Order: sequence, then C-alpha cells, then structure tokens
Amino acid sequence: GENVEQHPSTLSVQEGDSAVIKCTYSDSASNYFPWYKQELGKGPQLIIDIRSNVGEKKDQRIAVTLNKTAKHFSLHITETQPEDSAVYFCAAVLSGGYQKVTFGTGTKLQVIP
Amino acid sequence: EAGVAQSPRYKIIEKRQSVAFWCNPISGHATLYWYQQILGQGPKLLIQFQNNGVVDDSQLPKDRFSAERLKGVDSTLKIQPAKLEDSAVYLCASSLVGQLNTEAFFGQGTRLTVV
Repeated sequence: GENVEQHPSTLSVQEGDSAVIKCTYSDSASNYFPWYKQELGKGPQLIIDIRSNVGEKKDQRIAVTLNKTAKHFSLHITETQPEDSAVYFCAAVLSGGYQKVTFGTGTKLQVIP
Repeated sequence: EAGVAQSPRYKIIEKRQSVAFWCNPISGHATLYWYQQILGQGPKLLIQFQNNGVVDDSQLPKDRFSAERLKGVDSTLKIQPAKLEDSAVYLCASSLVGQLNTEAFFGQGTRLTVV
C-alpha cells in the first residue's frame, strides 16, 4: 500500500519568515495531494491541494510543489503569522473505484511572534 | 452549509467496556470515512463507506471494532471491548462521490480515553 513520510516533525520559525514542509510518497499511481491544517481540538481542514498533472500551485502565502519523478511534494508558507501555528498533514490520494487517502505523520509548526 | 457533526466530543471508559461514536456527514456526501488519530500521529483510516456499502475496512480491527452506515447517511463506530491502546481521537469525514480528487471534510472528532 501507499506510504507517506513527512518531515520535519516539528518546526519553529520567527514571524515573517518562511516555513517549508516536505513529504515523499511510495505509490507512483497516487494522483492527488492535499494538505491539511489541524488546530488544537479541531478536525483537519484542507488548505491547498495539487493534482498530478500540475507542478506548482499557489494561493496567497501558501504554495505547494510536486515532483512526480522523485515522488515528493512540499508545502511552502511565506510571511508566516502566529495564526499559522498548527499541525500540518500532507496526504497522497489514489483514485480508482474510490479514493484511498494516506496521511503523513504531521508537522507541528510554531510561529514565534 | 452545516459541517460534519460528531458526538460525543469526549468519552472516558474503563478497559473492556464498550463505546459508540456517532457521525452525521454533510448532506449529499456519499462517501464517509472513520479515522483513528493517536496523539502525535497522522489520521489512520479505519473504514470507508460509499453510500451504505463498505469500500475499505482493511485496517479495522474487526475483532473489536464495528461500524455501520444505515440508509447511507449517519454512521456509528463501536468498540467492544476497549483496550488501553484504543485511546485516540476518532475522526469522521465525508466527501462527494463521482468526482475525481474531492475534498474530505472532517468533524471535530471524539476524544476517547481508555483507563
């Protein structure tokens, strides 16, 4: 089955700096890669996603890149703010008769004011 | 639009007792997922329904866990008997079906503590 590895497990940055989280996946058939943000006491919420036919996608301060050949994808947050502090999960999705979603282990991001 | 509703929010039980969690997905979402999230880890899929049929339960410990989705809407997840290692947050999520790469919407989860 699919295996998703995520690094780093914890990340501390100063407010205004950039943060980068990296994930690798094992199944080359995975074709959709969402990123979720989970705040304390809440369920994960989708913040950005990328499909396998796209190399990069940007939404304001958040961007995601995908390298299908190397089977890795990354989340980039620029101009970080204290409200960006949360746990971030990457996921790899295999779409066939139904969607099969495999999550990474999570990155706890702390933005220091 | 109402989100995914889960209850209860918190539950504390003793080992070997039974417990049940309830989930009401977003209206019109045919796919429903139950995830187990142990502290410090990513969500792990327990079972996935499409309407009221099971499409993936490969990681569900079937000797103690069961789930049903009657009429393709609400779902319940049951643990009987519970073990200490079942302490986790149980997340329910739902998504549309029939479209590729659809977003999964999560509920707030039920935090289970087994003592």
